[in-house]
Amino acid sequence: DSGVTQTPKHLITATGQRVTLRCSPRSGDLSVYWYQQSLDQGLQFLIQYYNGEERAKGNILERFSAQQFPDLHSELNLSSLELGDSALYFCASSAGVGNSPLHFGNGTRLTVT
Amino acid sequence: AQKITQTQPGMFVQEKEAVTLDCTYDTSDPSYGLFWYKQPSSGEMIFLIYQGSYDQQNATEGRYSLNFQKARKSANLVISASQLGDSAMYFCAMREGTNRDDKIIFGKGTRLHILP
Repeated sequence: DSGVTQTPKHLITATGQRVTLRCSPRSGDLSVYWYQQSLDQGLQFLIQYYNGEERAKGNILERFSAQQFPDLHSELNLSSLELGDSALYFCASSAGVGNSPLHFGNGTRLTVT
Repeated sequence: AQKITQTQPGMFVQEKEAVTLDCTYDTSDPSYGLFWYKQPSSGEMIFLIYQGSYDQQNATEGRYSLNFQKARKSANLVISASQLGDSAMYFCAMREGTNRDDKIIFGKGTRLHILP
């Protein structure tokens, strides 16, 4: 158990809809990262927060947004969903310094129909 | 430009043999870290091993070791005495710098199949 909690585990929705994915980081970790993994693909970095502030951005679409709250949990909002947004979305947390590894949640599998 | 390259999309290895999974990286930052993760078919991401750019010795964790060749910018994962449970997808990742606002990028992965 990594200590990172992601909800929900599965999400099925229709095109054009909006969904929110939730992540609670490991206790003590200040950094939260979001990744998208499409079928048989690597992990695409979306966005990183450190202690409530956005710190790094990757290939995140304008239809996607995220935030980290004062209690350090994070939410990833996906809107105007398209079929191609179907993927496994991972949240990971770390202490945010040097050699601290990412600890991943079990992911949210999003299916857009 | 791709910063992490894993050139082996798939590998088949006989059980109990040693396995080397290749990873090359590209960075101009003198301070960086390299990670390896395992993703079994169940989907979770499992941290295996870390190597810092200033570490003098190659990292080891049980059956996992990292063959770090800084001048060649390679960080290959070596799994000794492979087991059936090692069948999984393996990802190499890099963190550039040591700031809090760094991103950690992943290679495309190598799918390892251990044969009985």
